[in-house]
Amino acid sequence: ETGVTQSPTHLIKTRGQQVTLRCSSQSGHNTVSWYQQALGQGPQFIFQYYREEENGRGNFPPRFSGLQFPNYSSELNVNALELDDSALYLCASSLVGTGSEQYFGPGTRLTVT
Amino acid sequence: DAKTTQPNSMESNEEEPVHLPCNHSTISGTDYIHWYRQLPSQGPEYVIHGLTSNVNNRMASLAIAEDRKSSTLILHRATLRDAAVYYCILRDVRNFNKFYFGSGTKLNVKP
Repeated sequence: ETGVTQSPTHLIKTRGQQVTLRCSSQSGHNTVSWYQQALGQGPQFIFQYYREEENGRGNFPPRFSGLQFPNYSSELNVNALELDDSALYLCASSLVGTGSEQYFGPGTRLTVT
Repeated sequence: DAKTTQPNSMESNEEEPVHLPCNHSTISGTDYIHWYRQLPSQGPEYVIHGLTSNVNNRMASLAIAEDRKSSTLILHRATLRDAAVYYCILRDVRNFNKFYFGSGTKLNVKP
C-alpha cells in the first residue's frame, strides 16, 4: 500500500505567475484535502474534493482552485501568485466517513519571490 | 467552528510519561476530538481520536473529560522521536469536510 505522494518537493515562482501542485492519494481513498502551512503555524484548510467535486472550502480566494481525477489523484492550482502564498502545501487523503483519519503527504514547499 | 486551546510548548524527559492538554469548551455533541502530530520536515501524522470514551492505541492514550470540554493526550514513555508539534482538532461529523488545525503544542523531549 503506497502512501500519499506530492510533487514537486520544492518550487520557486515569481509574483503574478501561476502554479500547479500535484498529489497522489493513498490507494482506495476517495477524498482529498489541501492545506496551506505558513512557517511556524498550523495547517490551514483550503478545500476538499470528493468524487471529483469540491466538497467544502476554507477562507481562501477563488484564485485557489483544484481538481480531483477519477483515479483520485488531485491538483491544486494557484493563479496570480502573491508573496504571502509562500508556504508548505499539504494534501491529505481519506475515506469519507465518520471520524475517518487523514493521511498527509510530505508537502510541496512553494516560494514566491 | 469550535476552537481548541493548547499550550505553546512543553518539555519532557525521555522515558517519562507526557500529558498534553487541550481545552475545547465550545465543543458540540457531534464533534470528534482528533490528535495529530507533525515531526520536523514532515506532514502531519494521525495519532488518535475519540468521541466520549477514553481511547488507547499503540501510539498513545486519549483521556476525555466527562463534560468533553477538555482532553489530554498521553504518551506513556516519551522518546526522542516523539519530539514534534501536537495538534488537537475538533471535527464535526456533520461536516466531515472541515478539519481545522490550531497552533499546536511543540513538545521537546530531553535525553
